[in-house]
Amino acid sequence: KAGVTQTPRYLIKTRGQQVTLSCSPISGHRSVSWYQQTPGQGLQFLFEYFSETQRNKGNFPGRFSGRQFSNSRSEMNVSTLELGDSALYLCASSPRAGAVSVNSPLHFGNGTRLTVT
Amino acid sequence: AQKVTQAQTEISVVEKEDVTLDCVYETRDTTYYLFWYKQPPSGELVFLIRRNSFDEQNEISGRYSWNFQKSTSSFNFTITASQVVDSAVYFCALSEAGAAGNKLTFGGGTRVLVKP
Repeated sequence: KAGVTQTPRYLIKTRGQQVTLSCSPISGHRSVSWYQQTPGQGLQFLFEYFSETQRNKGNFPGRFSGRQFSNSRSEMNVSTLELGDSALYLCASSPRAGAVSVNSPLHFGNGTRLTVT
Repeated sequence: AQKVTQAQTEISVVEKEDVTLDCVYETRDTTYYLFWYKQPPSGELVFLIRRNSFDEQNEISGRYSWNFQKSTSSFNFTITASQVVDSAVYFCALSEAGAAGNKLTFGGGTRVLVKP
């Protein structure tokens, strides 16, 4: 079974631009979560989607948004990029929504490394 | 609010030594889940082990074992007979059952370096 696929792996953007990251979950997984990883703040939850609906959102500004398609693939968008948005963005999938349980731990992709100059 | 603390930022050992990673958590929920993830240089987070808040039985899985103590809010993780391939950053994480969605709160991570 293929794992979680994130594209692109690397991205370089300029301040003020916008960026879209893509995530394809494991086949059959309907929940997709996004996390931001930076050296200063560590791993932080961005949001989760299930059945094309956002179920939970972390403490990030409105410049960060996402969506999920009917095939469970998800995209994350960051508008008006700032230098502080440089990070590794990780996507995770799970068979179901709701609290992560012992029966459905999150499965993570390799991430997209975004550099803002 | 929930919080996870990993006091050790980096641990260096020689191959075949045991490595114990500390994790302390804070939560107001009575039902929660604890995890350990490994992040190799390739970047993806690899799920290792998990424990429910209502099951304090400690177990061993291969070279991995864990010690969960609710009384001290600790969920420590041990790698027995470490190998060079164990070199990675290890994250402890918490998920509250009451939280909507699949939200994990991570600790700051502990970098483990296993030298040959």
